[in-house]
Parts: sequence; C-alpha cells; structure tokens
Amino acid sequence: GQNIDQPTEMTATEGAIVQINCTYQTSGFNGLFWYQQHAGEAPTFLSYNVLDGLEEKGRFSSFLSRSKGYSYLLLKELQMKDSASYLCAGGFSGNTPLVFGKGTRLSVIA
Amino acid sequence: DGGITQSPKYLFRKEGQNVTLSCEQNLNHDAMYWYRQDPGQGLRLIYYSQIVNDFQKGDIAEGYSVSREKKESFPLTVTSAQKNPTAFYLCASSMIDSNQPQHFGDGTRLSIL
Repeated sequence: GQNIDQPTEMTATEGAIVQINCTYQTSGFNGLFWYQQHAGEAPTFLSYNVLDGLEEKGRFSSFLSRSKGYSYLLLKELQMKDSASYLCAGGFSGNTPLVFGKGTRLSVIA
Repeated sequence: DGGITQSPKYLFRKEGQNVTLSCEQNLNHDAMYWYRQDPGQGLRLIYYSQIVNDFQKGDIAEGYSVSREKKESFPLTVTSAQKNPTAFYLCASSMIDSNQPQHFGDGTRLSIL
C-alpha cells in the first residue's frame, strides 16, 4: 500500500515560522491534502496541491514537488491557536480513499 | 447548511453489547468513510462506500459492520467481536474523485463501561 510519512511532533515559538514536511510514494499519485485537527475535534481541510509549486492562503502555504514525492505545510506568524495536529493525505489513482499520514502534533509555545 | 452529522457525541457500551453510530450527510456526496482514531494516533480506515448498497473493508474492518441503504446515511455498528472498541470514531464524505477533499463529521467518542 501507499505510505505517507511525516514527523510525529514539532515545537515552535509564537510569532515564528514552522515547516511541516510530508513524503509519499509517487506511484499512482494524484494530489496532496493538508488537514488541521485540534485535540478532540474533527479534521478540517486546509489545502490541496496537484501541481508543483507553492499555494498560499493567508498565514498558511503548502508546497508540492511531484518528482520528489515531497510536500510541506508552512505556517507563518504562529499563534497559540495553531497548536494542533496537521495531517498530510495523498490521493492516488483508482478512486481509492485518501491515504492519511499519522499526523504531526505541533505545539506553539510563548 | 450542508454538512455531516454524527450522533451521539458520546456513547458508552457494556461488554458484549453491539452499538450503532449514526452518520448522515446532506452534501450529495457519493462516497462515505468511517475512521477510528486512538489517543495521539492517526486515522485508520474501517469501511468505506462509494455507492448505495455497496461498501468495502478498510484496514481494520474486523469487529465492525456497516450498511449503505441510502446515499445520505452510513451507520457503523461496533459489534461485541471488537475487543478494544474505546476510541474516537470519525465519519467523512466526499465526491468519488480522489482529487476531492473528504469532509468530516464532529465524531463520536465510544467508551466501555
């Protein structure tokens, strides 16, 4: 099956920038999703990348390199409310369900 | 407003009891999914369905059953065969196209008494 890999935990300081990486197997790959999940809540959709390059949405940006099987989520001007898990998910050919990584738990400290 | 509704929010089960978790969507999505999430862990796929009256096993289907009699509804039954059912259960839906995001309900937290 497809594997999605991302770091388990990260810590960053309020006001700083943090980059959360995600790697995936390129075979059959369609596109890459990022979700945010606060503790005890449901995941919410953040971004989708299908083409190479950077997609910017306010403080959050997501990057994709299809040839390298690599994506990252960039969070700028970190706020305490950004403390959450960030899930990377890959869409693959064959109309199969998204494959989710295990999530990266981000802690924003003062 | 369109969305996905899961009920109940909290559910308690006695040993040996089957329980059914409800999931309803009014987004006109063809595909629906059930995930299990344990504390500090990622999402694990239990079952999914892409069309009425058809469903597929996910990675951890043992001890669970589903039905898809209507497009809007995808209930999950946690049977007594599931020996460790305490977890957070999330229902999601999407268009079938794998380029479309999944949208999640608020989840049901199941605990054993």
